[in-house]
Amino acid sequence: GAGVSQTPSNKVTEKGKYVELRCDPISGHTALYWYRQSLGQGPEFLIYFQGTGAADDSGLPNDRFFAVRPEGSVSTLKIQRTERGDSAMYLCASSLIGGLNTEAFFGQGTRLTVV
Amino acid sequence: SQQGEEDPQALSIQEGENATMNCSYKTSINNLQWYRQNSGRGLVHLILIRSNEREKHSGRLRVTLDTSKKSSSLLITASRAADTASYFCATDGYYGNKLVFGAGTILRVKS
Repeated sequence: GAGVSQTPSNKVTEKGKYVELRCDPISGHTALYWYRQSLGQGPEFLIYFQGTGAADDSGLPNDRFFAVRPEGSVSTLKIQRTERGDSAMYLCASSLIGGLNTEAFFGQGTRLTVV
Repeated sequence: SQQGEEDPQALSIQEGENATMNCSYKTSINNLQWYRQNSGRGLVHLILIRSNEREKHSGRLRVTLDTSKKSSSLLITASRAADTASYFCATDGYYGNKLVFGAGTILRVKS
């Protein structure tokens, strides 16, 4: 596609439920990043994929959060037993190569609300 | 954790004026990038400056980098109402492979 696509654009879920957020990166981009952004804050790093493998998952806040990228393109961020504090904008970005001497292209985000 | 800190937190100017935003960071870096975000949605890359560069221009944007002070500035000249957005600096960290963002500056350009 022309850009990074994230679905759904908005998600409302009940506390305790499981959610999956999807990211379609730009075709051919090997690097993929997930960020979380709370209102009035900058994006906070969650996880970085190089190809199929998670090269850095140090930003995942706890074991309720998990992400996969099984074929090196589409990625899914999975959140188990959601809590109200998980409410935020979840942003995905991709770049042509790993390492950050190139620009990252961001999707429009998924706004998650846990009620 | 967030490495960069932008100031001011918010800036309100008249159309046609210049806007200057500053960013400070903590660790050594390979590069520093500036991004723009409209209405809390996706971020758009504006400019990248490498650690061995001191100044870079792109259209109405001018970015400076002072690695001795661990700081950068973004200047938008002849601002327009359409420049109204949040602006973030992001650094890679010398050994990192992830962008670390600051809290951003909210710019409002009044027409």
